[in-house]
Amino acid sequence: EAGVVQSPRYKIIEKKQPVAFWCNPISGHNTLYWYLQNLGQGPELLIRYENEEAVDDSQLPKDRFSAERLKGVDSTLKIQPAELGDSAVYLCASSPGQGASYEQYFGPGTRLTVT
Amino acid sequence: DQQVKQNSPSLSVQEGRISILNCDYTNSMFDYFLWYKKYPAEGPTFLISISSIKDKNEDGRFTVFLNKSAKHLSLHIVPSQPGDSAVYFCAASVDNYGQNFVFGPGTRLSVLP
Repeated sequence: EAGVVQSPRYKIIEKKQPVAFWCNPISGHNTLYWYLQNLGQGPELLIRYENEEAVDDSQLPKDRFSAERLKGVDSTLKIQPAELGDSAVYLCASSPGQGASYEQYFGPGTRLTVT
Repeated sequence: DQQVKQNSPSLSVQEGRISILNCDYTNSMFDYFLWYKKYPAEGPTFLISISSIKDKNEDGRFTVFLNKSAKHLSLHIVPSQPGDSAVYFCAASVDNYGQNFVFGPGTRLSVLP
């Protein structure tokens, strides 16, 4: 079974430019997460989807970050405009959904460098 | 203020010996805990979990201990192998179904041959 797929794996952009990350979760997983991981830190939740509904986006900086999960499958996370402090690894994870396994399955992440 | 703390950024252990990774938390409402392992350039992978109704959970070489009164949990790896060298994250949740986890900063384990 294929795992969580993320693209691109690496992205280098100049500040003030837009950037987008894509995630394809494990088939059948209703819950999808986007995390931010800074160097030397653990993942921090940005947004959680249950199917196509964003049920927790309290940590998403909505002035520059946006996300969508059309049709409750793939998801895109966008930053516009990017700032130097956005340099980090962006992780996508999925899980079967409420009432099922606690375990989250992570993708390999997208390493963003803003110059 | 970090709710989940892993106060040892790194740990080195000789192959075959026991590795003990520690995690402390501040939120007494946390009721489910997980450990994840992460290799470079990969996403974290689930290792082992424990519910607050238990004080120990074992899976092969990996055992997690939970001390609720001290708000402390630990991961024991016995015997340690070079392939265990990775960053280990402790995570905790208050949700009924463990949907939202708070992660610690991680401990880098190096198992020396």
